Amino acid sequence: GAVVSQHPSWVICKSGTSVKIECRSLDFQATTMFWYRQFPKQSLMLMATSNEGSKATYEQGVEKDKFLINHASLTLSTLTVTSAHPEDSSFYICSARTGAAKEKLFFGSGTQLSVL
Amino acid sequence: QKEVEQNSGPLSVPEGAIASLNCTYSDRGSQSFFWYRQYSGKSPELIMSIYSNGDKEDGRFTAQLNKASQYVSLLIRDSQPSDSATYLCAAGVSGGYNKLIFGAGTRLAVHP
Repeated sequence: GAVVSQHPSWVICKSGTSVKIECRSLDFQATTMFWYRQFPKQSLMLMATSNEGSKATYEQGVEKDKFLINHASLTLSTLTVTSAHPEDSSFYICSARTGAAKEKLFFGSGTQLSVL
Repeated sequence: QKEVEQNSGPLSVPEGAIASLNCTYSDRGSQSFFWYRQYSGKSPELIMSIYSNGDKEDGRFTAQLNKASQYVSLLIRDSQPSDSATYLCAAGVSGGYNKLIFGAGTRLAVHP
């Protein structure tokens, strides 16, 4: 299957700081990437849809000024958690779809964010 | 609110048995359905996709779809301890530009 690389795998930061998470499609071009958040023992919740060269589309209840998404190229999307607080601690996962694979999503390895 | 429902489990089966995982969805317009396996602390891994009513088999896995009942299932034959994980059911959102809605997952435990 397609390979999606996500970095960092885990990050610990102080409250009030910003954290950037990178998601790269390694062997295909991804015009669309999706960012999910998962709290312990809960399902993946879609945060936003990232489109190359345009603004991201955020799901209801997700603060676009807090979770900044940039999709500057066909292989890279970034999620920046600004002014992080302990309640932002979660597992963040990006995913991408290849054009030929209908709606199949391939996931990055995820980033565990812990805000102290 | 479009939803995907799964029994959280845990579903416990002995090694070698058939594990049966079930899922229902609320969006009648959904046309695509997926099963993902997720180990603790890891990201989901795609196991099966199904788009048409009926059964789809891939190795030890069989996905079943019944659109009239809005029901999707996954059967795992000859269950192995390495199959122990959380299984996530996902449905494509109609008109949702390839977005998926995930269920909360069913935890499967295969004991030797």
